[in-house]
Amino acid sequence: QQQVKQSPQSLIVQKGGISIINCAYENTAFDYFPWYQQFPGKGPALLIAIRPDVSEKKEGRFTISFNKSAKQFSLHIMDSQPGDSATYFCAASGGRDDKIIFGKGTRLHILP
Amino acid sequence: DTEVTQTPKHLVMGMTNKKSLKCEQHMGHRAMYWYKQKAKKPPELMFVYSYEKLSINESVPSRFSPECPNSSLLNLHLHALQPEDSALYLCASSASPYSNQPQHFGDGTRLSIL
Repeated sequence: QQQVKQSPQSLIVQKGGISIINCAYENTAFDYFPWYQQFPGKGPALLIAIRPDVSEKKEGRFTISFNKSAKQFSLHIMDSQPGDSATYFCAASGGRDDKIIFGKGTRLHILP
Repeated sequence: DTEVTQTPKHLVMGMTNKKSLKCEQHMGHRAMYWYKQKAKKPPELMFVYSYEKLSINESVPSRFSPECPNSSLLNLHLHALQPEDSALYLCASSASPYSNQPQHFGDGTRLSIL
């Protein structure tokens, strides 16, 4: 019940296209859903996060869509750029544990 | 540049060596974390310090010993490590120890055990 399932494992998108990464969770106590972006040789950087009281959050080209009833959330990257090529981790936290549960990650490659 | 600073960036050590990893943040955060990350895997939580006290130890072997000298500093002391301990060690901090707070990561120490 503590898992966060992330898909796809890898994704190739043309420059200017939309990149979509999906995550699903089971624990209804989760109340915070961040996305992290990690470049090679760097630590994960918080990209955008959402709480379950809203269904969508947008920051620039990055949008989180959240479906509480389906226990799913997704990251959309509009107008994808080669500089967006990185590994993306979805995560979830809340409830009794002071832990963030990470998805397994998606390696995104944007073709120039 | 991240607001969580980790040193050294790279470390190579033998299995009998003793070394320490250091982490520093000046954001006034009261929770600090150590994670281990293997290639192509998500970070795995090792330890959590909440208000300078160890609050979570994820059954980490005793060859890893954390220390929090003050609210800005976090150390990880290493002794008698094994080759499988080679990984990227990440430090993170958050304003409070509740898991629904953003965690800010450093760029890690790349550790290689010979």
